[in-house]
Amino acid sequence: GNSVTQMEGPVTLSEEAFLTINCTYTATGYPSLFWYVQYPGEGLQLLLKATKADDKGSNKGFEATYRKETTSFHLEKGSVQVSDSAVYFCALSLSSQGGSEKLVFGKGTKLTVNP
Amino acid sequence: ETGVTQTPRHLVMGMTNKKSLKCEQHLGHNAMYWYKQSAKKPLELMFVYNFKEQTENNSVPSRFSPECPNSSHLFLHLHTLQPEDSALYLCASSQDPGGQAPTEAFFGQGTRLTVV
Repeated sequence: GNSVTQMEGPVTLSEEAFLTINCTYTATGYPSLFWYVQYPGEGLQLLLKATKADDKGSNKGFEATYRKETTSFHLEKGSVQVSDSAVYFCALSLSSQGGSEKLVFGKGTKLTVNP
Repeated sequence: ETGVTQTPRHLVMGMTNKKSLKCEQHLGHNAMYWYKQSAKKPLELMFVYNFKEQTENNSVPSRFSPECPNSSHLFLHLHTLQPEDSALYLCASSQDPGGQAPTEAFFGQGTRLTVV
């Protein structure tokens, strides 16, 4: 089946530290990959995405590269800020002819950035 | 403003109550979803509607009853819930890509449901 595994949290970093959150996936077919972020008290927001192998998604200083050979989509940021404190979800989606896509999420990784 | 609005934001209900959650999207999307987010568990897809037709029911108990009167509105009717049903219920919408690469889903802020 289709599944997403991401590193267990919580992750606590100091401001300006380097961030990596690992994500690997299992999928039948060729999924699109996403990182969503959930700030306290909010719903999920799309952070970045990649739709095919070797694509790099980037937004707000975050990056992730679709690695088909390692079935990975690790999230990175060179210098985190306090405002990046949130829960981060890795997800995959497979399209189907005539049907709706279905997002499959990882369990989420809580990031806390201290000043 | 995400374009997906959920009401109410918070709901406390007794196990014998009947209540409904509402979701409205202003993005012109044709697919809508209900997700359940419980503490320490992955997001669980509950229902999928595509062009107002239910295309997926992920073995959700019948005490949860969805309704999609048009492609902009989605309801979740609740009846005889259990305390373990307490969770954040998220609505999302997307544009069916018609076989092309999937597009992203847009989420509402969720309804925090507490069953007492």
